[in-house]
Amino acid sequence: EIVMTQSPATLSVSPGERATLSCRASQSVSSNLAWYQQKPGQAPRLLIYGASTRATGIPARFSGSGSGTEFTLTISSLQSEDFAVYYCQQYNNWLPLTFGGGTKVEIK
Amino acid sequence: EVQLVESGGGLVQPGGSLRLSCAASGFTFSSYEMNWVRQAPGKGLEWVSYISSSGSTIYYADSVKGRFTISRDNAKNSLYLQMNSLRAEDTAVYYCARAIPQQFGYYMDVWGKGTTVTVSS
Repeated sequence: EIVMTQSPATLSVSPGERATLSCRASQSVSSNLAWYQQKPGQAPRLLIYGASTRATGIPARFSGSGSGTEFTLTISSLQSEDFAVYYCQQYNNWLPLTFGGGTKVEIK
Repeated sequence: EVQLVESGGGLVQPGGSLRLSCAASGFTFSSYEMNWVRQAPGKGLEWVSYISSSGSTIYYADSVKGRFTISRDNAKNSLYLQMNSLRAEDTAVYYCARAIPQQFGYYMDVWGKGTTVTVSS
């Protein structure tokens, strides 16, 4: 099983600032990585797939990068609606399909 | 509008059973692989089960293997999860999610709002 580790667990950022979230895989997942956003009481929402491709309707302030074992999700200028929990998910070796533990982005 | 709506959650005693349903609309359900993903209170996401578009291929997480059964009825645009021998650790919000297959695996592009399962005496 591929273990996904996200850091930090909590990120305190002021509106308008840049947020950088990390996701590390226990073995290479190539570019087979997705990012999801989850707000309280809501379902996860797909942001990024293929490590760097934005899903339909996702604003350009969200960007993903990385390959192999190290990945980054960057939110260039945080808006109020971006405060949420973010999860990475690998799909390179998908039995089982695994998620990271999440990074909570909170208002500083 | 593409939509998934789960139902069937509730309070059940340990050892009991529950059947979850997921109604799909706004897309050709029979063309898509589907999944159940759960989230325990205050915890992260855990993949539970996968079913291919025809229903011929099925996989489970080790934590539910032998107790849960995934199925689908393409004529009714519905996905199901039969949960037996429920344990306290199965307490979670259960989401159904549509899979977009890639070379080796898949990501999930549409999620339902979830249904809550509580296992407690």
